[in-house]
Amino acid sequence: SQQGEEDPQALSIQEGENATMNCSYKTSINNLQWYRQNSGRGLVHLILIRSNEREKHSGRLRVTLDTSKKSSSLLITASRAADTASYFCATDVKTSYDKVIFGPGTSLSVIP
Amino acid sequence: SAVISQKPSRDICQRGTSLTIQCQVDSQVTMMFWYRQQPGQSLTLIATANQGSEATYESGFVIDKFPISRPNLTFSTLTVSNMSPEDSSIYLCSATGVRSYNEQFFGPGTRLTVL
Repeated sequence: SQQGEEDPQALSIQEGENATMNCSYKTSINNLQWYRQNSGRGLVHLILIRSNEREKHSGRLRVTLDTSKKSSSLLITASRAADTASYFCATDVKTSYDKVIFGPGTSLSVIP
Repeated sequence: SAVISQKPSRDICQRGTSLTIQCQVDSQVTMMFWYRQQPGQSLTLIATANQGSEATYESGFVIDKFPISRPNLTFSTLTVSNMSPEDSSIYLCSATGVRSYNEQFFGPGTRLTVL
Protein backbone atom coordinates (compact mmCIF):
# COMPACT_ATOMS: atom_id res chain seq x y z
CA SER A 1 0.00 0.00 0.00
CA GLN A 2 1.14 3.56 -0.60
CA GLN A 3 0.66 6.18 2.03
CA GLY A 4 2.21 9.08 0.17
CA GLU A 5 1.13 11.19 -2.72
CA GLU A 6 3.48 13.19 -4.88
CA ASP A 7 2.90 16.08 -7.16
CA PRO A 8 3.36 16.81 -9.85
CA GLN A 9 3.23 13.36 -11.42
CA ALA A 10 5.38 14.66 -14.26
CA LEU A 11 7.53 17.77 -14.59
CA SER A 12 9.40 19.09 -17.61
CA ILE A 13 11.88 21.97 -17.25
CA GLN A 14 14.77 23.56 -19.08
CA GLU A 15 18.33 22.90 -18.02
CA GLY A 16 19.41 25.44 -15.43
CA GLU A 17 15.96 25.91 -13.94
CA ASN A 18 14.96 24.71 -10.48
CA ALA A 19 12.69 21.71 -10.00
CA THR A 20 10.37 21.33 -7.03
CA MET A 21 8.56 18.13 -6.17
CA ASN A 22 6.13 17.71 -3.31
CA CYS A 23 5.19 14.72 -1.21
CA SER A 24 2.31 14.33 1.22
CA TYR A 25 1.68 11.47 3.59
CA LYS A 26 -1.06 10.33 5.92
CA THR A 27 0.31 8.87 9.15
CA SER A 28 2.99 9.77 11.68
CA ILE A 29 6.51 9.05 10.54
CA ASN A 30 9.97 8.54 11.98
CA ASN A 31 11.68 9.96 8.92
CA LEU A 32 11.22 10.63 5.22
CA GLN A 33 13.60 9.71 2.42
CA TRP A 34 13.93 10.79 -1.18
CA TYR A 35 15.19 8.49 -3.92
CA ARG A 36 16.06 8.84 -7.58
CA GLN A 37 15.57 6.16 -10.19
CA ASN A 38 16.90 6.50 -13.69
CA SER A 39 14.98 4.66 -16.36
CA GLY A 40 15.49 0.93 -16.01
CA ARG A 41 18.03 1.36 -13.24
CA GLY A 42 18.17 0.85 -9.49
CA LEU A 43 17.20 3.25 -6.74
CA VAL A 44 19.68 5.84 -5.53
CA HIS A 45 19.24 7.15 -1.99
CA LEU A 46 19.35 10.95 -2.06
CA ILE A 47 18.59 12.23 1.40
CA LEU A 48 16.94 11.30 4.70
CA ILE A 49 15.22 13.87 6.87
CA ARG A 50 14.12 12.97 10.36
CA SER A 51 10.76 13.94 11.82
CA ASN A 52 12.39 16.49 14.15
CA GLU A 53 14.22 18.22 11.29
CA ARG A 54 12.72 20.91 9.10
CA GLU A 55 15.27 21.33 6.33
CA LYS A 56 18.26 19.50 4.95
CA HIS A 57 20.72 20.20 2.16
CA SER A 58 22.93 18.00 0.06
CA GLY A 59 24.73 19.62 -2.84
CA ARG A 60 22.06 20.96 -5.22
CA LEU A 61 19.31 19.25 -3.25
CA ARG A 62 17.19 20.90 -0.59
CA VAL A 63 14.55 18.96 1.31
CA THR A 64 11.99 20.43 3.67
CA LEU A 65 9.65 18.64 6.02
CA ASP A 66 6.48 20.02 7.59
CA THR A 67 5.09 17.42 9.97
CA SER A 68 2.10 19.60 10.85
CA LYS A 69 1.02 19.47 7.20
CA LYS A 70 2.39 15.97 6.66
CA SER A 71 4.29 17.12 3.62
CA SER A 72 7.80 17.37 2.24
CA SER A 73 9.38 19.01 -0.76
CA LEU A 74 12.48 18.26 -2.80
CA LEU A 75 14.13 21.16 -4.60
CA ILE A 76 16.80 20.54 -7.21
CA THR A 77 18.59 23.75 -8.10
CA ALA A 78 20.34 24.52 -11.40
CA SER A 79 19.02 21.34 -12.97
CA ARG A 80 21.02 19.33 -15.47
CA ALA A 81 19.99 16.89 -18.18
CA ALA A 82 21.48 14.13 -16.01
CA ASP A 83 18.83 14.90 -13.37
CA THR A 84 16.21 13.40 -15.67
CA ALA A 85 14.75 10.53 -13.64
CA SER A 86 11.85 9.49 -11.45
CA TYR A 87 11.92 10.79 -7.90
CA PHE A 88 10.20 9.01 -5.02
CA CYS A 89 9.53 9.98 -1.46
CA ALA A 90 9.39 7.17 1.06
CA THR A 91 8.12 7.39 4.61
CA ASP A 92 9.26 5.32 7.57
CA VAL A 93 5.90 4.50 9.08
CA LYS A 94 5.57 4.19 12.85
CA THR A 95 4.16 0.73 13.44
CA SER A 96 5.14 -2.19 15.61
CA TYR A 97 8.01 -2.65 13.21
CA ASP A 98 9.63 -0.13 10.90
CA LYS A 99 8.60 -0.28 7.28
CA VAL A 100 9.14 2.17 4.46
CA ILE A 101 6.29 3.00 2.11
CA PHE A 102 6.84 4.69 -1.24
CA GLY A 103 4.83 7.41 -2.92
CA PRO A 104 3.86 7.15 -6.61
CA GLY A 105 6.78 9.29 -7.74
CA THR A 106 7.42 12.32 -9.94
CA SER A 107 8.88 11.89 -13.40
CA LEU A 108 11.29 14.76 -14.08
CA SER A 109 12.53 15.63 -17.57
CA VAL A 110 15.29 18.21 -17.89
CA ILE A 111 15.58 19.48 -21.43
CA PRO A 112 19.08 20.48 -22.54
CA SER B 1 26.70 2.94 1.94
CA ALA B 2 26.30 -0.83 1.95
CA VAL B 3 26.52 -2.93 -1.14
CA ILE B 4 23.46 -5.04 -1.79
CA SER B 5 23.59 -7.58 -4.57
CA GLN B 6 20.83 -9.63 -6.11
CA LYS B 7 20.84 -12.73 -8.24
CA PRO B 8 19.67 -13.19 -10.91
CA SER B 9 19.63 -9.71 -12.39
CA ARG B 10 16.97 -10.75 -14.84
CA ASP B 11 15.13 -13.87 -15.95
CA ILE B 12 12.49 -14.99 -18.38
CA CYS B 13 10.29 -17.73 -17.01
CA GLN B 14 7.41 -19.87 -18.12
CA ARG B 15 3.96 -19.65 -16.60
CA GLY B 16 3.48 -22.04 -13.68
CA THR B 17 7.14 -22.23 -12.69
CA SER B 18 8.85 -20.68 -9.65
CA LEU B 19 11.89 -18.45 -9.35
CA THR B 20 14.02 -17.80 -6.27
CA ILE B 21 15.78 -14.47 -6.01
CA GLN B 22 18.77 -14.09 -3.72
CA CYS B 23 19.79 -10.95 -1.87
CA GLN B 24 23.18 -10.53 -0.20
CA VAL B 25 24.32 -7.54 1.89
CA ASP B 26 27.99 -6.90 2.51
CA SER B 27 27.48 -6.16 6.24
CA GLN B 28 25.09 -7.08 9.00
CA VAL B 29 21.78 -5.27 8.87
CA THR B 30 18.79 -5.09 11.14
CA MET B 31 15.93 -5.11 8.65
CA MET B 32 15.57 -6.55 5.16
CA PHE B 33 12.62 -5.98 2.87
CA TRP B 34 11.30 -7.13 -0.49
CA TYR B 35 9.53 -4.79 -2.88
CA ARG B 36 7.85 -5.18 -6.24
CA GLN B 37 7.90 -2.50 -8.93
CA GLN B 38 5.52 -3.11 -11.79
CA PRO B 39 6.24 -1.40 -15.12
CA GLY B 40 5.91 2.36 -14.87
CA GLN B 41 4.85 2.19 -11.23
CA SER B 42 6.27 2.95 -7.82
CA LEU B 43 7.53 0.39 -5.34
CA THR B 44 5.12 -1.75 -3.36
CA LEU B 45 6.29 -3.44 -0.18
CA ILE B 46 5.78 -7.20 -0.31
CA ALA B 47 7.12 -8.20 3.09
CA THR B 48 9.68 -7.70 5.82
CA ALA B 49 12.17 -10.55 5.97
CA ASN B 50 12.71 -11.43 9.64
CA GLN B 51 15.85 -13.22 10.67
CA GLY B 52 15.04 -16.61 12.16
CA SER B 53 11.27 -16.28 11.90
CA GLU B 54 8.47 -16.03 9.38
CA ALA B 55 8.33 -12.96 7.19
CA THR B 56 5.73 -10.25 7.81
CA TYR B 57 3.58 -9.79 4.72
CA GLU B 58 1.74 -6.70 3.56
CA SER B 59 -1.88 -6.71 2.56
CA GLY B 60 -2.34 -8.47 -0.76
CA PHE B 61 0.73 -10.67 -0.46
CA VAL B 62 0.76 -14.19 0.98
CA ILE B 63 3.42 -16.64 1.99
CA ASP B 64 2.26 -19.36 -0.39
CA LYS B 65 2.85 -17.08 -3.37
CA PHE B 66 5.96 -15.28 -2.09
CA PRO B 67 7.83 -17.48 0.40
CA ILE B 68 10.74 -15.63 1.98
CA SER B 69 13.72 -16.87 3.92
CA ARG B 70 16.29 -15.01 5.98
CA PRO B 71 18.68 -17.53 7.52
CA ASN B 72 21.14 -14.90 8.79
CA LEU B 73 21.67 -11.14 9.08
CA THR B 74 23.10 -10.63 5.61
CA PHE B 75 21.13 -12.92 3.29
CA SER B 76 17.53 -13.36 2.18
CA THR B 77 15.63 -15.07 -0.61
CA LEU B 78 12.28 -14.35 -2.21
CA THR B 79 10.52 -17.03 -4.25
CA VAL B 80 7.85 -16.10 -6.76
CA SER B 81 5.73 -19.24 -6.97
CA ASN B 82 3.44 -20.58 -9.68
CA MET B 83 4.16 -17.56 -11.82
CA SER B 84 1.77 -15.88 -14.21
CA PRO B 85 2.38 -12.99 -16.64
CA GLU B 86 0.96 -10.62 -13.98
CA ASP B 87 4.06 -11.37 -11.88
CA SER B 88 6.28 -9.70 -14.48
CA SER B 89 7.96 -6.94 -12.47
CA ILE B 90 11.18 -5.78 -10.98
CA TYR B 91 11.75 -7.29 -7.53
CA LEU B 92 13.99 -5.30 -5.21
CA CYS B 93 15.66 -6.20 -1.97
CA SER B 94 16.47 -3.50 0.56
CA ALA B 95 18.10 -3.20 3.95
CA THR B 96 18.26 -0.76 6.83
CA GLY B 97 20.42 -0.35 9.88
CA VAL B 98 23.50 -0.05 7.74
CA ARG B 99 25.74 2.51 9.42
CA SER B 100 23.35 5.41 9.02
CA TYR B 101 20.23 5.30 11.16
CA ASN B 102 17.26 4.07 9.17
CA GLU B 103 18.60 4.92 5.74
CA GLN B 104 17.26 2.26 3.46
CA PHE B 105 19.46 1.04 0.64
CA PHE B 106 18.39 -1.03 -2.32
CA GLY B 107 19.80 -3.77 -4.43
CA PRO B 108 19.87 -3.37 -8.22
CA GLY B 109 16.68 -5.38 -8.65
CA THR B 110 15.72 -8.53 -10.51
CA ARG B 111 13.77 -7.99 -13.71
CA LEU B 112 11.34 -10.88 -14.13
CA THR B 113 9.40 -11.57 -17.29
CA VAL B 114 6.81 -14.35 -17.24
CA LEU B 115 5.63 -15.70 -20.58
